[in-house]
Amino acid sequence: DAKTTQPNSMESNEEEPVHLPCNHSTISGTDYIHWYRQLPSQGPEYVIHGLTSNVNNRMASLAIAEDRKSSTLILHRATLRDAAVYYCILFTGFQKLVFGTGTRLLVSP
Amino acid sequence: EAGVAQSPRYKIIEKRQSVAFWCNPISGHATLYWYQQILGQGPKLLIQFQNNGVVDDSQLPKDRFSAERLKGVDSTLKIQPAKLEDSAVYLCASSLSYTLGYEQYFGPGTRLTVT
Repeated sequence: DAKTTQPNSMESNEEEPVHLPCNHSTISGTDYIHWYRQLPSQGPEYVIHGLTSNVNNRMASLAIAEDRKSSTLILHRATLRDAAVYYCILFTGFQKLVFGTGTRLLVSP
Repeated sequence: EAGVAQSPRYKIIEKRQSVAFWCNPISGHATLYWYQQILGQGPKLLIQFQNNGVVDDSQLPKDRFSAERLKGVDSTLKIQPAKLEDSAVYLCASSLSYTLGYEQYFGPGTRLTVT
């Protein structure tokens, strides 16, 4: 299974942007970069995914490096509700999601 | 659209007892997953169904865990007999299909405590 590396934790203030990094130096050409998050006492929740180009949706933006060896999940204005564990996962069809330990995001008022 | 439903939400049993968890996926989702999440770790896939067939059960401890998905809709995960190390949150998820990497939708989970 392809591996990703994320910081254990990050802190942010409410209403500030948050950049969550992920390194995936062994990514293959068919691997999509998926992000999920898990709020306290809930199941994981899909956030966004991309292949090569940057992606935006209502929840976040995903910036992918040109060599695809790293990516950054961007929350444009953090809220208290964004406090969660964020998982960066390499995923292709016919495979299984392999969760690491993720990055715990703390958001202060 | 209704999400993935799981029951019960909490269960406490003694070791060597048996327990069963139930999952109802999102309507129309062909793929159903059961994950185990131990405190402080990310979820780990136990078993994956496509309709009512098993796609991957390589990480399912088959000597004590079993799962079925009758008629390709609801699913049940059973543990018999339970061990202390089975204490975890059991998550059910579903997706349209596993073949194209569709996003997975997770239920709230069942927190199991084995004493």
